[in-house]
Amino acid sequence: ILNVEQSPQSLHVQEGDSTNFTCSFPSSNFYALHWYRWETAKSPEALFVMTLNGDEKKKGRISATLNTKEGYSYLYIKGSQPEDSATYLCADPWSSARQLTFGSGTQLTVLP
Amino acid sequence: NAGVTQTPKFQVLKTGQSMTLQCAQDMNHEYMSWYRQDPGMGLRLIHYSVGAGITDQGEVPNGYNVSRSTTEDFPLRLLSAAPSQTSVYFCASSYSQGAGELFFGEGSRLTVL
Repeated sequence: ILNVEQSPQSLHVQEGDSTNFTCSFPSSNFYALHWYRWETAKSPEALFVMTLNGDEKKKGRISATLNTKEGYSYLYIKGSQPEDSATYLCADPWSSARQLTFGSGTQLTVLP
Repeated sequence: NAGVTQTPKFQVLKTGQSMTLQCAQDMNHEYMSWYRQDPGMGLRLIHYSVGAGITDQGEVPNGYNVSRSTTEDFPLRLLSAAPSQTSVYFCASSYSQGAGELFFGEGSRLTVL
């Protein structure tokens, strides 16, 4: 099983702060990198699927970058709001079967 | 829009009992999968299917069985429930393995006493 690692494990920020967190994945045989947002008592929802080195994607105040050569992706949230509080997961499809391996997530709490 | 529908949402079993978690999707996705959520370990893949009649094991398949007789349905069977199978289970589907985003069901919380 390939390791997908996320840091930090948890993060508390004040409303209005910008924040970012990291997903590390094996750089060999890269195929795609997924980001999901998971609110408490709900199911995960996709934010981005990234496939190209240098790719940058944006959805509202949330953006992500990808470096496939060094094996990391950053997720940025600009001007955090309490509704951004959630666990953010990244996932890497591994092996020839392209099964998604998930990191353990970064739990973000935005304090009003 | 129904998306991915899982039933039941909650279930309590005694050790040794069997049960089936149902999963159905209406998006005509070929790829379906089952994950379990465990504290500190995130989502772990149990079984997956790339189309009707084709299934394969994921990271933690022991104690679970699946079948895929139609594109829409992908049930997960617990053969003889054990306390270690207490977890929240998520079914997910995608139009493409690896590069397609996963659409998740609402989850099924299972407690094995």
